[in-house]
Amino acid sequence: KAGVTQTPRYLIKTRGQQVTLSCSPISGHRSVSWYQQTPGQGLQFLFEYFSETQRNKGNFPGRFSGRQFSNSRSEMNVSTLELGDSALYLCASSAGLAGKNQETQYFGPGTRLLVL
Amino acid sequence: QQQVKQSPQSLIVQKGGISIINCAYENTAFDYFPWYQQFPGKGPALLIAIRPDVSEKKEGRFTISFNKSAKQFSLHIMDSQPGDSATYFCAASKGGKLIFGQGTELSVKP
Repeated sequence: KAGVTQTPRYLIKTRGQQVTLSCSPISGHRSVSWYQQTPGQGLQFLFEYFSETQRNKGNFPGRFSGRQFSNSRSEMNVSTLELGDSALYLCASSAGLAGKNQETQYFGPGTRLLVL
Repeated sequence: QQQVKQSPQSLIVQKGGISIINCAYENTAFDYFPWYQQFPGKGPALLIAIRPDVSEKKEGRFTISFNKSAKQFSLHIMDSQPGDSATYFCAASKGGKLIFGQGTELSVKP
């Protein structure tokens, strides 16, 4: 099976702009979670989508939003970019169900966003 | 609010030695505890995971020890190799939301 893919891999934006990141999960996985990784804050959970519905949400401002499509692909959007949004954005997919191995999350390579 | 605390922040081990990384959690509702390995420029990769009804799990050179009463768990890497040099993250979850520790940068010297 192909792994989790994320596009683009690198992105440079300026303050005030908006950005959309894309994630394609492992085939058959219905859950997609997004994480932000920075040297100072580490890995922080943004939100999770399961069957096109947001199921979990982290403590990020409303500028961070996402959606999931019927084929389980997900997009994450950040509006009005700030310098502090510079980070590696990681997407992880899982089967999304309770039970042995069903909740294991597999990460993509990430999108590195630089905000100038 | 940091719910998972990881130590040490960095670790240097000689080839063939044992690497030990510790984590402590606060929320007793967590029911799944994975460890991830991350190389520079890559996403985290699952190493091994444990549930709180098990005190130890071993997969190859990697062992998780779990102490439910102390709310602590640790990763042991036996016979550490230079190729193990990476950043290791512990995590805890309930319902699919992973809470990560701050990470441990492991360097294995030849």
